[in-house]
Amino acid sequence: DQQVKQNSPSLSVQEGRISILNCDYTNSMFDYFLWYKKYPAEGPTFLISISSIKDKNEDGRFTVFLNKSAKHLSLHIVPSQPGDSAVYFCAARTAGGTSYGKLTFGQGTILTVHP
Amino acid sequence: NAGVTQTPKFQVLKTGQSMTLQCAQDMNHEYMSWYRQDPGMGLRLIHYSVGAGITDQGEVPNGYNVSRSTTEDFPLRLLSAAPSQTSVYFCASSYTAVPRANSPLHFGNGTRLTVT
Repeated sequence: DQQVKQNSPSLSVQEGRISILNCDYTNSMFDYFLWYKKYPAEGPTFLISISSIKDKNEDGRFTVFLNKSAKHLSLHIVPSQPGDSAVYFCAARTAGGTSYGKLTFGQGTILTVHP
Repeated sequence: NAGVTQTPKFQVLKTGQSMTLQCAQDMNHEYMSWYRQDPGMGLRLIHYSVGAGITDQGEVPNGYNVSRSTTEDFPLRLLSAAPSQTSVYFCASSYTAVPRANSPLHFGNGTRLTVT
């Protein structure tokens, strides 16, 4: 059972517009969420994160929003640039129990930004 | 600064063969882990280690062994390769075992393994 889901396999946007990548989760034990970006033939790299006690975190062009009641988070990229074209993974950290600290990843969303 | 280095980048195995995927990091990270990435499945944790001499199983450990004799190295062994192990394998490390913004996972560039 997929506890972290990225239901959009791909997203295409025009340069300069906003990109919104979505992620849903089912486990209430998740306490921290991270977004990773992955280029072809490279490993994922950390992009931005948010604690479950916050509802927004911003870093330059990237903002992550968390809606705990809906168990939903989203990554906003404004403005989108062609260099943002990559696969984006959402990951959730388990708060306690035997799986404390473990990351559960979503399936990834391929973002393509057209010039 | 090399970060996390994985070798080889590509490997083709026949069913039943064994091999070791190498992973080394030069950041003095205590935590190291192995993930596999399959289409539509995201990244799934195979094994992890919180320090030299300590290893534990992740979500999908069957068919794989690990050891951690030094802080720097964390090899992944396939005991008897099966077609279901065809995947892209990523090694990752972090300063702490609990990922957060100031201690995120750092990934290697992956090993693409095909088992025929």
